[in-house]
Order: sequence, then structure tokens, then C-alpha cells
Amino acid sequence: EVQLVQSGAEVRNPGESLKISCQGSGYSFTNNWIGWVRQVPGQGLEWMGIIYPGDSDTRYSPSFQGQVTISVDKTFSTAYLQWTNLEASDTAMYYCARHRGVGAAYFFDSWGQGTLVTVSS
Amino acid sequence: EIVLTQSPGTLSLSPGERATLSCRASQSLSSSHLSWYQQKPGQAPRLLVYGTSSRATGIPDRFRGGGAGTDFTLTIRSLEPEDFAVYYCQQHDSLPLTFGGGTKVEIK
Repeated sequence: EVQLVQSGAEVRNPGESLKISCQGSGYSFTNNWIGWVRQVPGQGLEWMGIIYPGDSDTRYSPSFQGQVTISVDKTFSTAYLQWTNLEASDTAMYYCARHRGVGAAYFFDSWGQGTLVTVSS
Repeated sequence: EIVLTQSPGTLSLSPGERATLSCRASQSLSSSHLSWYQQKPGQAPRLLVYGTSSRATGIPDRFRGGGAGTDFTLTIRSLEPEDFAVYYCQQHDSLPLTFGGGTKVEIK
């Protein structure tokens, strides 16, 4: 069974740093892109970026480029999303998801349970 | 960036009724690159349809995806109580990947 398990909820002060994780199991972790999606409370889904664990090729949404860093540790089948200078506007639920292709079709077929990040002084 | 516009924002229907959700893209997409997700309160999104019309594993056949070019639809043939949720379309045609703003299907 494919599973993506994310780290637990976090509370930080503005200006602090944070790294959250997403561990994959039940499939070939290195051969499937992993994406990150933000959901501000009460709002829709926003694609942040995507990483290929095999070679760490990473693509960012222009909205998030320079604001976050996506990385991966193949040894632990884990992807990460990192901030160095959190702002209150980063308060949101963050999901990781496996990006899979079947033929010419691509989609996010498995999702983590989400990590709630709260930034407040 | 490809913008996806979903309509209506909210659909108020009764169980057993048919729901038709629209997703319009700002430029033409390959039909292989449009997917739909369902999200219930407090849960992660769940893949329903990929490649415009292929149902994901375990998705009942009352969910039908269709369309081409810039206009795509998700139809729920006869709403079950568990179908009341928010639905998002997403394009995988070009970076940045984008989601529509969502359609909430609520109980009338």
C-alpha cells in the first residue's frame, strides 16, 4: 500500500525557521515525483513545487520560489519542505502528494495527511 | 501560467440529483493532463479522475469526467450523501501546475 506520512503540527514565531517532512512507503520512492501543496484555512489548493527523488531535480511555482526550499533524502525515503524566515501568512495546512504518470496522463494519486503550520507571535 | 476557473462556486443539490461541475482553462490543455480531486472537511484531497475521463482506483462509476481543449466537466450522476464535498480540477499540462478555485457541493 502506498503511504505518505507527514510530520506533526508545528507552531512557530514569525522569523523562525522550520522543516517539515513527508515519508513515502509501499512504492519506489526514487522513481516518482513528490509535490507540495498549500491550503490556507478556508481556501483552495495551491501547488508549491515538486521534486524528483532520483536526482533531486526540483521545480517551484513562481509564487513560492525563494520563499521555501524543497529537498529529499533518498536514504530515508523522505521529502522535506523548509522555511528560513516564517511569516504569519505561512499559516496553512501543507500536503505532500505523489505525482504519478500513466501513459501520457499525470496526477497526484496519493496524499499525505497534511501538516498544519501555525505562525503566530 | 494556466488559470483554471471552476463554476459554480457552490452547488446546492439534494441526494439523488445530478451534479455538473465546470472547469475552464485559460489555454488549451491536452486531455491527458486534467485531473479532479475531492476534498472533505478535515481530510486530504483524494484523486477522482485523471486524464480528463479515467476514474482512479476505487472511484464509483457515478463520477464521470469529460471535456477537451479549454472546457472540462465532472458529472456526478446521482449524488450520494458522501459526495457532498469540495471538488478541484488541476492541470498537469505545463509548469506551474495549477488548481482551480474549487466547487463546493452542498446539501440543499
